Amino acid sequence: GAGVSQSPSNKVTEKGKDVELRCDPISGHTALYWYRQRLGQGLEFLIYFQGNSAPDKSGLPSDRFSAERTGESVSTLTIQRTQQEDSAVYLCASSLGLAGGQYFGPGTRLTVL
Amino acid sequence: QKEVEQNSGPLSVPEGAIASLNCTYSDRGSQSFFWYRQYSGKSPELIMFIYSNGDKEDGRFTAQLNKASQYVSLLIRDSQPSDSATYLCAGSSNQFYFGTGTSLTVIP
Repeated sequence: GAGVSQSPSNKVTEKGKDVELRCDPISGHTALYWYRQRLGQGLEFLIYFQGNSAPDKSGLPSDRFSAERTGESVSTLTIQRTQQEDSAVYLCASSLGLAGGQYFGPGTRLTVL
Repeated sequence: QKEVEQNSGPLSVPEGAIASLNCTYSDRGSQSFFWYRQYSGKSPELIMFIYSNGDKEDGRFTAQLNKASQYVSLLIRDSQPSDSATYLCAGSSNQFYFGTGTSLTVIP
């Protein structure tokens, strides 16, 4: 069956530009998570959705980061006015419920020049 | 703050040996625990989950949970060089939380 997919797989952008990252979760998974992972570092939680609502936005690093999810399916993570410190791999994961195991997508590698 | 603690390693074991990866957690209300494997440059992959006290075996992998001691472990028997990766422990109650991972190297 189809797993979690993310697009683009790689994104190179210039400082100050906006980027949009997309995540397609496993069908039927109600919970969706976004993480950031810098090179050689652990997972940094950004935000999660239960259905279309985001109860916990505490991990978003700044107001330049936002995310939405529509139809309990696709989610987009938007980073406005990108900075070099935003360079990282952005991972999306989904699960059947909040207590269930998370299944990760392949990630989007973002490079801000 | 719910969290799990893992020894960051690196842990090195010879091929064929048992690798033991350990994790402690702070939230007694946590019900479920998960082990992920992350190869360099790849995303984490769920390899084991455990809900009940005791052992759970799947092939060469055994997960162990001791709720009284708030301790979770993963044993890898007959370790292979292909097991070389970072292993992440995770727990969940009403939220999901990851440890920082233990780097394992299996030496041929």
